Amino acid sequence: SAVISQKPSRDICQRGTSLTIQCQVDSQVTMMFWYRQQPGQSLTLIATANQGSEATYESGFVIDKFPISRPNLTFSTLTVSNMSPEDSSIYLCSVEGGVGGLFFGSGTQLSVL
Amino acid sequence: RKEVEQDPGPFNVPEGATVAFNCTYSNSASQSFFWYRQDCRKEPKLLMSVYSSGNEDGRFTAQLNRASQYISLLIRDSKLSDSATYLCVVNSLGGSQGNLIFGKGTKLSVKP
Repeated sequence: SAVISQKPSRDICQRGTSLTIQCQVDSQVTMMFWYRQQPGQSLTLIATANQGSEATYESGFVIDKFPISRPNLTFSTLTVSNMSPEDSSIYLCSVEGGVGGLFFGSGTQLSVL
Repeated sequence: RKEVEQDPGPFNVPEGATVAFNCTYSNSASQSFFWYRQDCRKEPKLLMSVYSSGNEDGRFTAQLNRASQYISLLIRDSKLSDSATYLCVVNSLGGSQGNLIFGKGTKLSVKP
């Protein structure tokens, strides 16, 4: 199994500011995935981050709002830009597991005031 | 119709009880299926994959019915530590695990 370190674990931010979430994996992985889990909702994929190419965004998510970096095979960042209270959510990074499914980081609990 | 649908619960059961969760999925071409467990304020963790022949891991049994597009999870001899939200997850397109579709989860509370 992969060990994924995600930080910050939580933050409280002001409207209009941006927050960058970091995700570090203990092994090299081709793809990293960024999810959002809004209160009472299921996990929703934001984008897939591939090293050496632009991230692939899912419907409803755009690069200007959620820019992603993937500088190497063990690290990725997700930025939540120009935040509003609607962005309050848990953000999770993940990587593929060897038996299928995903391993998740511990998540970032974001509250926007 | 939602892609992956689960009874949200909560299921409140006494220790030692047997409890079953059901999940339906809408895409008949779905390739692989999983149950995840998510504790309060924690990340989801893979509990078990679900195979066509059904599979068992200790007190947990998962079954898949492709004809009815239905997945189940059975927990026998419930423990207090089983209290969590159980997520039904379906890979709708195959290939990359980025195609996973998550249900909203079923909350289980096991009481002494």
